[in-house]
Amino acid sequence: KAGVTQTPRYLIKTRGQQVTLSCSPISGHRSVSWYQQTPGQGLQFLFEYFSETQRNKGNFPGRFSGRQFSNSRSEMNVSTLELGDSALYLCASSLEMPSYEQYFGPGTRLTVT
Amino acid sequence: TQLLEQSPQFLSIQEGENLTVYCNSSSVFSSLQWYRQEPGEGPVLLVTVVTGGEVKKLKRLTFQFGDARKDSSLHITAAQPGDTGLYLCAGGNTGTASKLTFGTGTRLQVTL
Repeated sequence: KAGVTQTPRYLIKTRGQQVTLSCSPISGHRSVSWYQQTPGQGLQFLFEYFSETQRNKGNFPGRFSGRQFSNSRSEMNVSTLELGDSALYLCASSLEMPSYEQYFGPGTRLTVT
Repeated sequence: TQLLEQSPQFLSIQEGENLTVYCNSSSVFSSLQWYRQEPGEGPVLLVTVVTGGEVKKLKRLTFQFGDARKDSSLHITAAQPGDTGLYLCAGGNTGTASKLTFGTGTRLQVTL
């Protein structure tokens, strides 16, 4: 069974621009979560989608948003990029809520200049 | 806000040595997961523990969940260079299980 895939793997954007990241979960997994990983703050939860609905949300500003499609694929969007948004963005999928076990993709490395 | 502190932060040992990584919190978690992450990759799930006092073994790795479900430990016996990586604990709670709180991480390097 294929794992979680994320595209693109690397991205360079300029401050003020917006960006969209994509995640395809493991087949059959309906829950998709997004995390931000930085050297200073570690791994922090952004939000989780289940059956196209946002079920949980972390403490991030409204510039960070997401959505999930009927095939469980998910996208996250960051508008008005700031230098501090440079990070590894990780997507994780799990079989069904509530599920303690999450399977992560390789991440998208976003650099904001 | 729930926090998970890991210690030590960095660990450099030689092949064959034993080590223990600790994950501590002042909050109770319904479950505790351990992940290993290698550079440029996402975390890979190693184990999930859900019962206070639970002990799970995965080859040379032994995981324990504290009786009060506030802390956990990971013990590696006879470490090998392939064990090198960033070890992360993560706590989850019933109802918001996908909203994991990650620990600060322990970076392990095992040399020949």
